[in-house]
Amino acid sequence: QVQLQESGPGLVKPSETLSLACSVSGGSLRSYYWSWIRQPPGKGLEWIGYIDSSGSTKFNPSLKSRVTISADMSESHFSLKMTSVTAADTAVYFCARHGPGIVDLDYWGRGILVTVSS
Amino acid sequence: DIQMTQSPSSLSASVGDRVTITCRASQNIRFYLNWYQQKPGKAPNLLIYTASSLQGGVPSRFSGNVSGTDFTLTISSLQPEDFATYYCLQTYTTPRTFGQGTKVELK
Repeated sequence: QVQLQESGPGLVKPSETLSLACSVSGGSLRSYYWSWIRQPPGKGLEWIGYIDSSGSTKFNPSLKSRVTISADMSESHFSLKMTSVTAADTAVYFCARHGPGIVDLDYWGRGILVTVSS
Repeated sequence: DIQMTQSPSSLSASVGDRVTITCRASQNIRFYLNWYQQKPGKAPNLLIYTASSLQGGVPSRFSGNVSGTDFTLTISSLQPEDFATYYCLQTYTTPRTFGQGTKVELK
C-alpha cells in the first residue's frame, strides 16, 4: 500500500521560502510522477507541479517563477520550495502520486497546513 | 489553461436520492477526467478515473459518464457517508486543473 506523508514548518513569514517534504513508502519514486497540490482554507484545489521519474519537472504557470520541486530517488522523498511567500500562499499542501498509466492522481498524503504570517 | 466549470456549487439531498454533478471542459479533453470526494480535514479520495472507470474499493453506486466536453458524476442512491465535497480534475494536460467543487449537503 502506497503511503505519502508531508512534513515541514507550519508557519512561514511573509517574503520567506516555504519548504516541504513528502516521504513515500510502499512505492518507488523512480516508477511514477509525483505532484504537489494546495488548498487554501475553505477553497478549492490548485495543482502546483510535478516531478517525473527522470527528475524533470512541470509547473503551474501561475506559480512557476517561485516554485522548485526536487526528488531524492534513493531516499524516497521529494520536496517543494516556494519563494517569496505571501498570505495568499496560506493553504493545506498535499503531495500525491500519478498512478500507473492514465489513472493519474491516485494516492494522496494527508496534507499539511502552512500559514504565512509574521 | 483548460478551464473546468463544475455545477452546481452546492446541493441539498436526502438519503436515497439520485445525485448528478457536472463538469464542463473548456476544450476537448477526450476521456481524461477524474472525480474525487473530499471530507473535511481529509485529502481528496479518487472515485472515478478516465471519466467512467471506478477506482478499486469505491462503491458501485458511483458512476461517471462523458458526452463531448461534458462529464457527469452520478450517485445512484445517496448514503449518509456520501455527504462531502466532490471535485473533477482534468488529466489531459498540464497544468492540471480542478473544478470549483460541489458540496453535497443533507436536506
